[in-house]
Amino acid sequence: ETGVTQTPRHLVMGMTNKKSLKCEQHLGHNAMYWYKQSAKKPLELMFVYSLEERVENNSVPSRFSPECPNSSHLFLHLHTLQPEDSALYLCASSQQVYSGTYEQYFGPGTRLTVT
Amino acid sequence: AQSVTQLDSHVSVSEGTPVLLRCNYSSSYSPSLFWYVQHPNKGLQLLLKYTSAATLVKGINGFEAEFKKSETSFHLTKPSAHMSDAAEYFCVAGNQFYFGTGTSLTVIP
Repeated sequence: ETGVTQTPRHLVMGMTNKKSLKCEQHLGHNAMYWYKQSAKKPLELMFVYSLEERVENNSVPSRFSPECPNSSHLFLHLHTLQPEDSALYLCASSQQVYSGTYEQYFGPGTRLTVT
Repeated sequence: AQSVTQLDSHVSVSEGTPVLLRCNYSSSYSPSLFWYVQHPNKGLQLLLKYTSAATLVKGINGFEAEFKKSETSFHLTKPSAHMSDAAEYFCVAGNQFYFGTGTSLTVIP
């Protein structure tokens, strides 16, 4: 496996379900990100993990709960979601350094539908 | 604060004609700038990046972009559009990775 992988690629869940999205990066990076991409809306940064510590949480509802057990894996735990949470969820990774910005590499995304 | 503005939400070109996708950034200094492409139901792929080296940046698939500080612009160009270029394009700026709202490129056969 190379690059950034995400599973599952598609997920349909009811509002009372609990599910998790998984992301794995094989690039040796030290930062990982969750984004939400909804139709006709800009890409929204949800969470940032750097060196396995959460460094950013952009006012995301508590029904979304991230977990970063190590620098290669990132999870997004979902519970009691709303239909408006239906979107493409993208994971990305990068090598963060204080002296500059390194590009992010994206996974293919998980298409989530909440019924 | 940094931000990016993609001036066109939709661009339509004929196959074989030039492509111009416009991006302006707002920053008090020269930021890092990127262009990404997203094909339908796919993740984002890096096309090219500017990090204060050469102002004309060449990317993959024949795309290039020119950093113009005087105009605070970083427009994406390609001399000849191909059908496979039809996709959504995002301009991204800065250490905080500010995304533009995207430009949808349609290529007419």
